Amino acid sequence: DSGVTQTPKHLITATGQRVTLRCSPRSGDLSVYWYQQSLDQGLQFLIQYYNGEERAKGNILERFSAQQFPDLHSELNLSSLELGDSALYFCASSVGETSSYEQYFGPGTRLTVT
Amino acid sequence: GQQLNQSPQSMFIQEGEDVSMNCTSSSIFNTWLWYKQDPGEGPVLLIALYKAGELTSNGRLTAQFGITRKDSFLNISASIPSDVGIYFCAGLGISTSGTYKYIFGTGTRLKVLA
Repeated sequence: DSGVTQTPKHLITATGQRVTLRCSPRSGDLSVYWYQQSLDQGLQFLIQYYNGEERAKGNILERFSAQQFPDLHSELNLSSLELGDSALYFCASSVGETSSYEQYFGPGTRLTVT
Repeated sequence: GQQLNQSPQSMFIQEGEDVSMNCTSSSIFNTWLWYKQDPGEGPVLLIALYKAGELTSNGRLTAQFGITRKDSFLNISASIPSDVGIYFCAGLGISTSGTYKYIFGTGTRLKVLA
């Protein structure tokens, strides 16, 4: 158990819909990262927040957005969903802000868009 | 999105054999990480490397941060059935635009034959 929690574990929705994925980092960690992993694919970095502020952006679509709240939990919002958005979405957390801190991953949310 | 080149893509080995996999990039990184992912689970951090040339062990695992900062390798000695899974490398660094970058490898799928 990494200490990172994600909800829900599974989500099935239709194209065009909007969903929100939630992540709670490990106790004491200030950074939260979001990743997308498509079937049999590697991990694609989407976005990082540190102590409530956006710190780094990866391959995140404009239809996707995220935020980190004062209690440090984070939400990833996916809108106008397409079939290709079906994937595992992982959240990770680390204690620090910079790229030199190791990240700990949550169990993921499996999103299926039908 | 960008991914690091990881090889081999997959391998079948006999229990007790040693395993070696590597990760290469065209750009340099400040930190290299190795993760193991079981089916349907989030990646679990195995080893973190912070300095060029660094050699670090964690039980039967040994990893090295390449001198050029563009590669890393992971060795598993005396493999056992529970080593089955997908191994990902990850490079953390600063992009040319000055933002942090987190790039994951394509993964090495390991299967151990008892």
